[in-house]
Amino acid sequence: NAGVTQTPKFQVLKTGQSMTLQCAQDMNHNSMYWYRQDPGMGLRLIYYSASEGTTDKGEVPNGYNVSRLNKREFSLRLESAAPSQTSVYFCASRGTGGAGYGYTFGSGTRLTVV
Amino acid sequence: GDSVTQMEGPVTLSEEAFLTINCTYTATGYPSLFWYVQYPGEGLQLLLKATKADDKGSNKGFEATYRKETTSFHLEKGSVQVSDSAVYFCALSGSNAGNMLTFGGGTRLMVKP
Repeated sequence: NAGVTQTPKFQVLKTGQSMTLQCAQDMNHNSMYWYRQDPGMGLRLIYYSASEGTTDKGEVPNGYNVSRLNKREFSLRLESAAPSQTSVYFCASRGTGGAGYGYTFGSGTRLTVV
Repeated sequence: GDSVTQMEGPVTLSEEAFLTINCTYTATGYPSLFWYVQYPGEGLQLLLKATKADDKGSNKGFEATYRKETTSFHLEKGSVQVSDSAVYFCALSGSNAGNMLTFGGGTRLMVKP
């Protein structure tokens, strides 16, 4: 089925550990995004990639890095995890069509940092 | 910057009741407006959208009308079902670089039989 695939679905890290969240889409979308979801705060944009080869910071980029490996894949890396990064992370992609074109979201990665 | 404000939940209704979830926005220009739904343990799914003033988005019995004069995009459904229990997010996409979505805080809806 076409869509956005995220791995892993769940992860527990110790403070200071590093990890990479993987995201891949098979819809030939140009734009990809990483959001975090925290209770009562909706989704906040961490980083985005408007096209292959470009990445830009969103609202809450501190503590994260990203790589747009190719048109399909967009990974999010935590170099030194902190408890404040405990959250649910969503990857999304979007095709061309301007501001009215909706996003397709992955099913999320639930990350706990202890 | 752009922002979206929606009513806090949870909203608890009996089956077949009328639903309204309020959403207002602040944005420059003419944003597109969206409602997303998140069922337990899942990602967000697009429920409906409207791209210009006075447009009405509709899907699965849900409706919302883009009201530029009141900067609102309230979600309504005439008769809710238990299966509508979920978290609903209002969002906008403006003319910013990357066409990023700005989300409201989400409203949890609980429908009781």
